[in-house]
Amino acid sequence: NAGVTQTPKFQVLKTGQSMTLQCAQDMNHNSMYWYRQDPGMGLRLIYYSASEGTTDKGEVPNGYNVSRLNKREFSLRLESAAPSQTSVYFCASSEAWGSLDQPQHFGDGTRLSIL
Amino acid sequence: TQLLEQSPQFLSIQEGENLTVYCNSSSVFSSLQWYRQEPGEGPVLLVTVVTGGEVKKLKRLTFQFGDARKDSSLHITAAQPGDTGLYLCAGAAGNNRKLIWGLGTSLGVNP
Repeated sequence: NAGVTQTPKFQVLKTGQSMTLQCAQDMNHNSMYWYRQDPGMGLRLIYYSASEGTTDKGEVPNGYNVSRLNKREFSLRLESAAPSQTSVYFCASSEAWGSLDQPQHFGDGTRLSIL
Repeated sequence: TQLLEQSPQFLSIQEGENLTVYCNSSSVFSSLQWYRQEPGEGPVLLVTVVTGGEVKKLKRLTFQFGDARKDSSLHITAAQPGDTGLYLCAGAAGNNRKLIWGLGTSLGVNP
């Protein structure tokens, strides 16, 4: 049971470089999310996709773009990486947006360092 | 801005001890979830509480949702090293049921 798969697991970039973080889920979930987790800041929502074909900004969207490629895949792109984007990035999915007791299923994260 | 405050931030105890961690807010939540995150992994859901005053048990873990649905607690009986991890609470609020996350309680259980 793969659940939510994120690639790559680790990445080091130089300031100004671009990259795309990939996420795929095999649970037929409608909603997908991208978070970043930083010490002292907790989990912060970057973007989410309530359903296939829709994306919306979360709490900290600046410097990021997303694509909901299909129901399974949701990618996060850094166009011009900055040191402030050094973080651990988590992708998550859930059956539906807004259901009262819906759990979110998380991948194991991408550890990204920007030099 | 809705906030979820978790306390304590850090907790280090010996195997066999009991502990309680708290998740508090001034806002009312439709439901509240507890997750555990182990190093190098993503959070994993432990339980969801929905009704004010609700108590749920998961083996040695007891979860309670406050009567007013503004707070929750997690009690662990006879802690074991396998309980070590970051415990996160997340509340669903507002018409769109957006999740509000606490910063977590980092628990270490020493053998």
